[in-house]
Amino acid sequence: EAQVTQNPRYLITVTGKKLTVTCSQNMNHEYMSWYRQDPGLGLRQIYYSMNVEVTDKGDVPEGYKVSRKEKRNFPLILESPSPNQTSLYFCASSLLFGVDYTFGSGTRLTVV
Amino acid sequence: TQLLEQSPQFLSIQEGENLTVYCNSSSVFSSLQWYRQEPGEGPVLLVTVVTGGEVKKLKRLTFQFGDARKDSSLHITAAQPGDTGLYLCAGNTGFQKLVFGTGTRLLVSP
Repeated sequence: EAQVTQNPRYLITVTGKKLTVTCSQNMNHEYMSWYRQDPGLGLRQIYYSMNVEVTDKGDVPEGYKVSRKEKRNFPLILESPSPNQTSLYFCASSLLFGVDYTFGSGTRLTVV
Repeated sequence: TQLLEQSPQFLSIQEGENLTVYCNSSSVFSSLQWYRQEPGEGPVLLVTVVTGGEVKKLKRLTFQFGDARKDSSLHITAAQPGDTGLYLCAGNTGFQKLVFGTGTRLLVSP
């Protein structure tokens, strides 16, 4: 089944403790992206990747890092999480940039 | 930053009613997509419209892309409880970015 898999689905952590949210797709898509979804603000892009070793900032990249060492994986790294990063995070992939995204099921992160 | 404004923000209707959701921007998009998101899940693509004035139908859902490619609408005929969810429009800016609207939350009661 074609899908984007995110882990974990839920995560509660403390301020400053480094964490990684994993994202993997099995569709051989070149384009991958991370979004955060907050009430009243919609989906905002954090980082995106056009291909292996090619990443760029989205609209809200501060406090986040990403890497794209393999085509299928695009982890999101929070080096020192803060409470304002409490949000619902989605990974998405597509064959071509900006078109027909397949989303993961989301990761609900709470930073206390 | 381009903005995609959706209206209404919330819509609560009875089964069998018709409704229209609007997605508006001052920017031109090369294409526009509609997604539906259910609680606890990621958005799922419903349709992509590419040509100004294009109309696409998906069973009881009708999608239209404005002539100037700045706006779009989603019309649902005879809504059912299964249509309940968050509807998101998203415009392709052509600069490696898909800009999402703020969403319309639809509740269809039996």
